[in-house]
Amino acid sequence: GQNIDQPTEMTATEGAIVQINCTYQTSGFNGLFWYQQHAGEAPTFLSYNVLDGLEEKGRFSSFLSRSKGYSYLLLKELQMKDSASYLCAVRDNDYKLSFGAGTTVTVRA
Amino acid sequence: DAGITQSPRHKVTETGTPVTLRCHQTENHRYMYWYRQDPGHGLRLIHYSYGVKDTDKGEVSDGYSVSRSKTEDFLLTLESATSSQTSVYFCAITEGLAGAGWYFGPGTRLTVL
Repeated sequence: GQNIDQPTEMTATEGAIVQINCTYQTSGFNGLFWYQQHAGEAPTFLSYNVLDGLEEKGRFSSFLSRSKGYSYLLLKELQMKDSASYLCAVRDNDYKLSFGAGTTVTVRA
Repeated sequence: DAGITQSPRHKVTETGTPVTLRCHQTENHRYMYWYRQDPGHGLRLIHYSYGVKDTDKGEVSDGYSVSRSKTEDFLLTLESATSSQTSVYFCAITEGLAGAGWYFGPGTRLTVL
């Protein structure tokens, strides 16, 4: 089975940095994804990690440690529009993607 | 944006009635998925398809069936809707290649009274 854990909620101030952690225990591993989802909308793809290390994309970075079953998403220079849910997802070996319950990030002025 | 549409976008129905949701893609991707999203549970996989007429169950498949008669369409059917199936349903597609993302449709909000 798949077990993917992430915090339920986080709050941060505009301009600050927030780190969202994700731990996973899955029956197979073929990559870890992060998605952003605004209220009432579909999830949108943010990042993908399959090898250990840090992937940087503008204000967003994602880190993976396969040996620890751990990832984090780092959001820098927070903006009000970054208020959303962030979903951690793991792809198994059979083309299935399993999700954590999501972390709601609230950015305050 | 990936070309994925879902219909209907909103539906209210009564317990015991059959309901069919449609997912249509214009990307010619091999893999298609149906998820449901509920507060506190995140996205849970209902069924998926790895080709025309090739489908398999996900983690919450009870009460649901699917069909895929052509590459671009993936149908989700609730044979006899129950209130526990009130949810937001998302369709997703992927090429299946290493590193390829899953892309989601806009969702269908289903309410079963």
